[in-house]
Amino acid sequence: EIVLTQSPASLSLSPGERATLSCRASQSVGTYLAWYQQKPGQAPRLLINDASKRATGIPGRFSGSGSGTDFTLTISSLEPEDFAVYYCQQRSTWLTFGGGTKVEIK
Amino acid sequence: QLQLQESGPGLVKPSETLSLTCTVSGGSISTTSYYWAWIRQAPGKGLEWIGSIYYTGSTNYNPPLKSRVTISVDTSKNQFSLRLSSVTAADTAVYYCARHQGVVGANDYWGQGTLVTVSS
Repeated sequence: EIVLTQSPASLSLSPGERATLSCRASQSVGTYLAWYQQKPGQAPRLLINDASKRATGIPGRFSGSGSGTDFTLTISSLEPEDFAVYYCQQRSTWLTFGGGTKVEIK
Repeated sequence: QLQLQESGPGLVKPSETLSLTCTVSGGSISTTSYYWAWIRQAPGKGLEWIGSIYYTGSTNYNPPLKSRVTISVDTSKNQFSLRLSSVTAADTAVYYCARHQGVVGANDYWGQGTLVTVSS
């Protein structure tokens, strides 16, 4: 099983600041990595597919990068609605998710 | 707009079988290239893929759960279903149905989720 480790577990930032979230895979997943946003009581929402491709309707402030084992989700300038939990997911070998990073309001 | 909706009992007794159905509306479950998945999330925890099915009935299951999981599809009703046998408290979770493209793919549409509690 491919294990995804997300860091940090939580991030405390102010609106307007830049958020940088990390996801590390236990073995190479190529670019078969996605990012999701989840708010309390809601289903996850797909943000980024194939490491860097924004999903339909996702604002340009969200960007993804990386390949192999190291990936980054960047939110260039946090909006109030961006405070949520973010998960990475690999699809190189079946489907597994990381443990999540909570982005909190400072 | 594609919509997915989970339905089924919210309470299941230990050792019994959990059964859920996902109804797809706004699109056909028989659309080529798309698979239909079950994903769960234990309270306060992360996400776990349970398995997926294609409209032809072809399935893939998460290896740790494979011995207890059955996913089936009813194209005439535009529904797919999950059965998880021999449940324990560890199976208490919000269960989501979702769509992905290809045998394994990112999940672009999700149901709202349904909480299933395993308790006597």
